[in-house]
Amino acid sequence: AQSVTQLDSHVSVSEGTPVLLRCNYSSSYSPSLFWYVQHPNKGLQLLLKYTSAATLVKGINGFEAEFKKSETSFHLTKPSAHMSDAAEYFCVVSAPYFSGGYNKLIFGAGTRLAVHP
Amino acid sequence: SQTIHQWPATLVQPVGSPLSLECTVEGTSNPNLYWYRQAAGRGLQLLFYSVGIGQISSEVPQNLSASRPQDRQFILSSKKLLLSDSGFYLCAWSKKGAFRSGNQPQHFGDGTRLSIL
Repeated sequence: AQSVTQLDSHVSVSEGTPVLLRCNYSSSYSPSLFWYVQHPNKGLQLLLKYTSAATLVKGINGFEAEFKKSETSFHLTKPSAHMSDAAEYFCVVSAPYFSGGYNKLIFGAGTRLAVHP
Repeated sequence: SQTIHQWPATLVQPVGSPLSLECTVEGTSNPNLYWYRQAAGRGLQLLFYSVGIGQISSEVPQNLSASRPQDRQFILSSKKLLLSDSGFYLCAWSKKGAFRSGNQPQHFGDGTRLSIL
């Protein structure tokens, strides 16, 4: 079975300081992992994805994440926060499909990032 | 490039009224399509998914139904809305992944905010 835990429900940083959003996963299979961002009253936007290639994944808007199998982690980082980064972030693990024709996404509970001037 | 459109953006409906939310995808063919609901303070709940025209699978028994009359059109409906149907409804699409693969991310529309009075 697959599951994902986002370790912080809220993170607050100052503009220009680093961002770290933590995510641990559990998967019976070699996982695919994603990070999504959701701004208020908007849909989810894909930030980056890990699909068993390079363990350090670069995404949009300066975000990156590192897949660490030994720690079952997929933490999201950004060197310098911008005010526009304030949003909710979801870590997602994907279950491979064996029937039904689609791979189910399992969402974390989300981390709300606040960025202060 | 692919785009996904959802409408309306906001909707206020009385209890007992019908509902129709529409979602269309452009720039791809034979996508998987999904409807999610995001209740306030809660995560995303997958309501329906479709792997082809006329093929609908329900994840959660409820007051809602879905239809896929065309390859890139997905409709969420209800005959009589309940107060508990309030929430943020998101449509998403994905490419079909390889069997036993979970590497296809889903791409979301901007959502419909549904309020039931």
